[in-house]
Amino acid sequence: QVQLVESGGGVVQPGRSLRVSCAASGLMFRSYAMHWVRQAPGKGLEWVAVIWYDGSNKYYADSVKGRFTISRDDSKNTLYLQMNSLRVDDTAVYYCARDERLWFGELNYWGQGTLVTVSS
Amino acid sequence: QSVLTQPPSASETPGQRVTISCSGSSSNIGSNTVNWYQQLPGTAPKLLIFDNNQRPSGVPDRFSGSKSGTSASLAISGLQSEDEADYYCAAWDDSLNGPMFGGGTKLTVL
Repeated sequence: QVQLVESGGGVVQPGRSLRVSCAASGLMFRSYAMHWVRQAPGKGLEWVAVIWYDGSNKYYADSVKGRFTISRDDSKNTLYLQMNSLRVDDTAVYYCARDERLWFGELNYWGQGTLVTVSS
Repeated sequence: QSVLTQPPSASETPGQRVTISCSGSSSNIGSNTVNWYQQLPGTAPKLLIFDNNQRPSGVPDRFSGSKSGTSASLAISGLQSEDEADYYCAAWDDSLNGPMFGGGTKLTVL
């Protein structure tokens, strides 16, 4: 049973930090690249970041570069997104997703998402 | 960053066929394969088509994809009410080093 479960979302003030997590089970976590994708309320999907299966490469969308950090702990089968200097326009549901084939972006497993609300 | 271009909405009656277009550029669709995602209301996206025209296990053959140059399309035949959802195209972007998504198309089954 493949499962991705995000947690850590909540309400945070602009300029503050938050870390969201994604716990994986049943999908050989350490063998796959993992992504974060977000969706602002009523809007479309926006790719946020990717981390290679071995953690050797990390890439970010321009909108979060320098503020967000993706990481993984294979011993815990967990993916993280550290979000610093949060802005109102970072408000979104954050999904983690497994990449079936690196460089092809076939996101075949998704979590249910965790809502991050940035508001004063 | 730019997104792949999709029509914001589409509609058709049950039993009919609908197509959704997706336009990109040489750095994404033009040089990489296209994937399509279906997002039912209140749920996470689901991979619907991968590698331009391949269906994951469990996806009905009513759904098909194609690609030509820097454009792609998703076709749904024999429309059913449960097909009412948002559909997103996506392709790896060589400049982004990640997948670029389309803006999404909201499909209404009349």
